[in-house]
Amino acid sequence: QSVLTQPPSASGTPGQRVTISCSGGSSSIDYNYINWYQQIPGTAPKLLIYRSNQRPSGVPDRFSGSKSGTSASLAISGLRSDDEGHYYCATWDDSLSGRVFGGGTKLTVL
Amino acid sequence: QVQLQESGPRLVKPSGTLSLTCDVSGGSISSNNWWSWVRQPPGKGLEWIGEIHHSGTTNYNPSLKSRVTLSVDKSKNQFSLKLRSVTAADTAIYYCATYSVTYPGSESWGQGTLVTVSS
Repeated sequence: QSVLTQPPSASGTPGQRVTISCSGGSSSIDYNYINWYQQIPGTAPKLLIYRSNQRPSGVPDRFSGSKSGTSASLAISGLRSDDEGHYYCATWDDSLSGRVFGGGTKLTVL
Repeated sequence: QVQLQESGPRLVKPSGTLSLTCDVSGGSISSNNWWSWVRQPPGKGLEWIGEIHHSGTTNYNPSLKSRVTLSVDKSKNQFSLKLRSVTAADTAIYYCATYSVTYPGSESWGQGTLVTVSS
């Protein structure tokens, strides 16, 4: 069971805006940055968001992140079929002294 | 951008030791980065194994700490993972990854390698 909780699935139609949540505890999200990863089947995870709301170079501005207290969110606007895959949140957990991943959310574009 | 490539045996016997190496190209293992390992059992989510800095500082997943050793070989520009006393539950795709301390957001992952624990 992950320290970070994500919904197992999310879906939307092309062009829509979808939000994926990630909730944790005071030892994780509350005082640490969140990263978000996209994993397309058969490939390695790709960093989408770092420091809760920053995009690495090359990541489209359709992807945005936010954090408030012990929860974080990833928003994807202008949904595209190639956005299908799994999305993971990750952070540092002070009580575990280690990185933790959420259980992942499978995004389906209908 | 740093490139990473995992290598090592793809099949390990139960109770044996899983050993993987990650070759680093396009950058130095002595840079201010964390060098890490993440695994993913087939059809499941990501699990962080641990990370090492070239200074020797390590952080491990508490659930694996007693069985894991990470090391860095500066002469070969590579880092390694050893996981002892493996069982079928350790069957997974193992990824090596790195993230810069100096430049947050600068992160690279290897393509991953599937390691199966079976007799």
